[in-house]
Amino acid sequence: AQSVTQLDSQVPVFEEAPVELRCNYSSSVSVYLFWYVQYPNQGLQLLLKYLSGSTLVKGINGFEAEFNKSQTSFHLRKPSVHISDTAEYFCAVSEADTGRRALTFGSGTRLQVQP
Amino acid sequence: DAGVTQSPTHLIKTRGQQVTLRCSPKSGHDTVSWYQQALGQGPQFIFQYYEEEERQRGNFPDRFSGHQFPNYSSELNVNALLLGDSALYLCASSLTASPGDSNQPQHFGDGTRLSIL
Repeated sequence: AQSVTQLDSQVPVFEEAPVELRCNYSSSVSVYLFWYVQYPNQGLQLLLKYLSGSTLVKGINGFEAEFNKSQTSFHLRKPSVHISDTAEYFCAVSEADTGRRALTFGSGTRLQVQP
Repeated sequence: DAGVTQSPTHLIKTRGQQVTLRCSPKSGHDTVSWYQQALGQGPQFIFQYYEEEERQRGNFPDRFSGHQFPNYSSELNVNALLLGDSALYLCASSLTASPGDSNQPQHFGDGTRLSIL
């Protein structure tokens, strides 16, 4: 089984400042890693994913994340945030080599971008 | 190109009733997963359907059941509703490219918000 811990429930930040949303996971098998964003009253949109290869992954809307296997982390970063980035962000994992595709999500981090 | 569509968008039921939620996958997708998202929490996996069969199931009671049709659309049924079943129910679709391929990303619909009175 896997588990995902998002260390911050809320992250307030000023517009144009950098931001990091932290994610740690636990798993007995290899995993794929994902970040999703959820805007109010909407479903989840995929920001980026790590499957294999380069540990630095670039996604949509200027976001990137770095996979650190030794620290079992997959932190999300953006060098300069906009008001429109205000949303709930979810880190998720799925098993890599078993064909089991269920996503295990963290509890989410609410990013609040202030002018 | 239509994405994942879910119906209805909102639903109010009372305890003990039964409910059916519907999902049409993104065009070209053949696999449907259902998630429950309680207020203030991350989504929790209920089950996944592929080739009209339940392929994987999360830790949910038998009151939660589903179905997938030949056109790949899916239904989620919940019997004997409890207050704790109040949540946003999300459907996600993906393409199963090969039996061992699990790296196809899941695309989510906007969900059905179910309220139990």
